[in-house]
Amino acid sequence: AQSVAQPEDQVNVAEGNPLTVKCTYSVSGNPYLFWYVQYPNRGLQFLLKYITGDNLVKGSYGFEAEFNKSQTSFHLKKPSALVSDSALYFCAVRGGSFNKFYFGSGTKLNVKP
Amino acid sequence: EAQVTQNPRYLITVTGKKLTVTCSQNMNHEYMSWYRQDPGLGLRQIYYSMNVEVTDKGDVPEGYKVSRKEKRNFPLILESPSPNQTSLYFCASNPGLPYNEQFFGPGTRLTVL
Repeated sequence: AQSVAQPEDQVNVAEGNPLTVKCTYSVSGNPYLFWYVQYPNRGLQFLLKYITGDNLVKGSYGFEAEFNKSQTSFHLKKPSALVSDSALYFCAVRGGSFNKFYFGSGTKLNVKP
Repeated sequence: EAQVTQNPRYLITVTGKKLTVTCSQNMNHEYMSWYRQDPGLGLRQIYYSMNVEVTDKGDVPEGYKVSRKEKRNFPLILESPSPNQTSLYFCASNPGLPYNEQFFGPGTRLTVL
């Protein structure tokens, strides 16, 4: 079965420190990988995606993500966290036989001042 | 402004009373889909549509219907809502290519009593 895993329900980090939100997937083929952010009472907003090429992709608000094909992972990173980064983050993968979208369960990021 | 709109944003109803949640996008996108978001489960796809008059089941289609008579609209219909359909619902669209990111609506919070 196709699946996306975000192993941490919550990540806590101090402002100014680097952050990592983990994502691993089990989706057949050469899937496309995405990260979205959800602020309270809002819809999901696109952050970045991996299509092909350089394993490190850069996105909005200073976020970046590293694709690792051998580990089937796509971890979200930021060198210096801001309090305003506090939100719910979703990893998504599109692929498989029917090219469907699969979402992780979400990771709540808490950045403390 | 390019956007996906959903109505209503909040709805409280009773078991068995038919309801429709509307979704409209103004970006001429081919692909549209519906998701439900439940705590700890992330987003699960209900139905999707690759184009007008083409719809297909997602992962959790039971109890839902959709139609795609026009490119811009993709309503979600609950013929006989039940309490287990209490959830946060999101409509999304994208241009249609596999690597395109999705654009999400603001969400509809549905409570079925």
